Amino acid sequence: EIVLTQSPGTLSLSPGGRATLSCRASQSVSSNYLAWYQQKPGQAPRLLLYDASSRATGIPDRFSGSGSGTDFTLTISRLEPEDFAVYYCQQYDYSPYTFGQGTKLEIK
Amino acid sequence: QVQLQESGPGLVKPSETLSLTCTVSGDSVSSNSFYWGWIRQTPGKGLEWIASMHYGGTTYYNPSLKSRVTVSVDTSKNQFSLKLSSVTAADTAVYYCARRRSLAGRPLWFDPWGQGTQVTVSS
Repeated sequence: EIVLTQSPGTLSLSPGGRATLSCRASQSVSSNYLAWYQQKPGQAPRLLLYDASSRATGIPDRFSGSGSGTDFTLTISRLEPEDFAVYYCQQYDYSPYTFGQGTKLEIK
Repeated sequence: QVQLQESGPGLVKPSETLSLTCTVSGDSVSSNSFYWGWIRQTPGKGLEWIASMHYGGTTYYNPSLKSRVTVSVDTSKNQFSLKLSSVTAADTAVYYCARRRSLAGRPLWFDPWGQGTQVTVSS
């Protein structure tokens, strides 16, 4: 089973700032089969990025993804108030398809 | 716009079977392009993938749950279902259904998700 470790656990930033979230896999994720999701309180996760760097429909370009192999990054430039939420990475390379434990992005 | 909606009992007794249904609108569960999946979320374990199924029969299960999980698709109602047997308090969670893009028969990312339904296992 691929274990995804996200860091930091909590990130405190101000609106207008830049957020860098990390997702590290316990073994290589081939074909960059990694997705990022955003979850707000009381809501279901929402797909942000797939294939590590492709934005889902309707996702603003301030969200970007990078990385390969075992290290992946979600970057949010110019934080908007609605961006403060919990972010999860998920690998779909190998079954069982696993999620990271999440990074909470909170307002400083 | 594709929408998914979970339904089922919010309270299940220990040792019984949890049964949930996901109703799909705006798409067909018979689509070759997608799998249909279940995920659950708990404060302790976070997000946990349960199973994904294609209407053609291909199904993937989380090995940790496989012995207790049954999934099925009802094309006439455009629904898919989850049954989890012999539940314990550890199965208390928010359960989500979701659509999964398929490529060459391989399930990929989850999009969109249903709103989720809380299921509590308690006597």
